[in-house]
Amino acid sequence: EIVLTQSPTTTAASPGEKVTITCLANSSVTNMFWYQQKSGASPKLLIFSTSSLASGVPDRFSGSGSGTSYSLTINTMEAEDAATYYCQQWSGNPYTFGAGTKLELK
Amino acid sequence: EVKLLESGGGLVQPGGSMRLSCAASGFTFTDFYMYWIRQPAGKAPEWLGLIRNKANGYTTEYNLSVKGRFTISRDNTQNMLYLQMNTLRAEDTATYYCTRWLGGFDYWGQGVMVTVSS
Repeated sequence: EIVLTQSPTTTAASPGEKVTITCLANSSVTNMFWYQQKSGASPKLLIFSTSSLASGVPDRFSGSGSGTSYSLTINTMEAEDAATYYCQQWSGNPYTFGAGTKLELK
Repeated sequence: EVKLLESGGGLVQPGGSMRLSCAASGFTFTDFYMYWIRQPAGKAPEWLGLIRNKANGYTTEYNLSVKGRFTISRDNTQNMLYLQMNTLRAEDTATYYCTRWLGGFDYWGQGVMVTVSS
């Protein structure tokens, strides 16, 4: 099973600040996907195929990486970005998620 | 507009069974792989399994964590997805989501809560 380790577990950012969340896999994966989940809501797809923005996602979000190391960046933090973020891999059964990074507004 | 609407959750005793349903609309259901994912409160989502599309014979695949206890099926005439859960355990307590895949889990239902407790 591919295990995804996210860091940090929690973080806080001020409006306008840059935020980077990393996701390390214990084996190489082909692509990484990122989801945003706000309290009480279903997860929402942000990034697919490592670096492509899902429909309607603001361009302050970006994704990068390859092999075993991936990252999600929010270029300028906004209040509405406070949420929990999950990475997810699609390279083999089971299709696993990271444990999540909780991003708070400072 | 794509919509996924789960139903059938609730309280069940350990060892019991439950069937969840998911009503899909707004897209050509038979074209898509469909999935069940669950999420215990405060924890990460866990992929449970999938059922393939018409072109791939509606075959299924499961996470080993639930294989043999959970069964995914679909009624393509009604655009319905199902999750039959047997021999339920306390650790199966979670919110259950149906989703579809289009370069990522691009649409999720609102989720349905399942609580396994005596």
